[in-house]
Amino acid sequence: SAVISQKPSRDICQRGTSLTIQCQVDSQVTMMFWYRQQPGQSLTLIATANQGSEATYESGFVIDKFPISRPNLTFSTLTVSNLSPEDSSIYLCSAPWGAGTEAFFGQGTRLTVV
Amino acid sequence: GESVGLHLPTLSVQEGDNSIINCAYSNSASDYFIWYKQESGKGPQFIIDIRSNMDKRQGQRVTVLLNKTVKHLSLQIAATQPGDSAVYFCAEISMGSGTYKYIFGTGTRLKVLA
Repeated sequence: SAVISQKPSRDICQRGTSLTIQCQVDSQVTMMFWYRQQPGQSLTLIATANQGSEATYESGFVIDKFPISRPNLTFSTLTVSNLSPEDSSIYLCSAPWGAGTEAFFGQGTRLTVV
Repeated sequence: GESVGLHLPTLSVQEGDNSIINCAYSNSASDYFIWYKQESGKGPQFIIDIRSNMDKRQGQRVTVLLNKTVKHLSLQIAATQPGDSAVYFCAEISMGSGTYKYIFGTGTRLKVLA
């Protein structure tokens, strides 16, 4: 199995600023995923981050707003830029393990933009 | 577009009874289907998966059924316990060229009544 440490667990940010979320995996993983989850709702995939290449963004998400870094096989960051209240949400990182069907998740970052 | 959805947003069951959580999917080309459990303030946790060429798989107190004819997935929890209270998500995985894409369903909140 894999353990994913995500931080911060929560933050309150002023509009117009940025927040960078970090995820550290205790094992090397090829892919990492970043999700957004509105309270009481499902997970929406933001992007897939592979080491050594540009992240692949889903429809509705752009690199300028959600820049991602993946410097090695155990670490990734997601930055949410130019924050607005609409960005208030839970952000989760994830990585598939083994055959790929079992994905492990960080505990999430609850972002509130004021 | 492709989607994975659920029939019931909230399910209340008596402790000790069996629970059945349902999910409908639309992408018949998905390779795997997975159930995740998410407790409040935590990231989703893997419960069980089923390959698309199977129709039933059993785990500890859980059984997943896949009906490809009607594109329906269900999670059965035997002898439901208070610790089973959580939100349950179905997800489908498409695999190709060494990449994975997870699509999550809407989610069902399971409430276990004492």
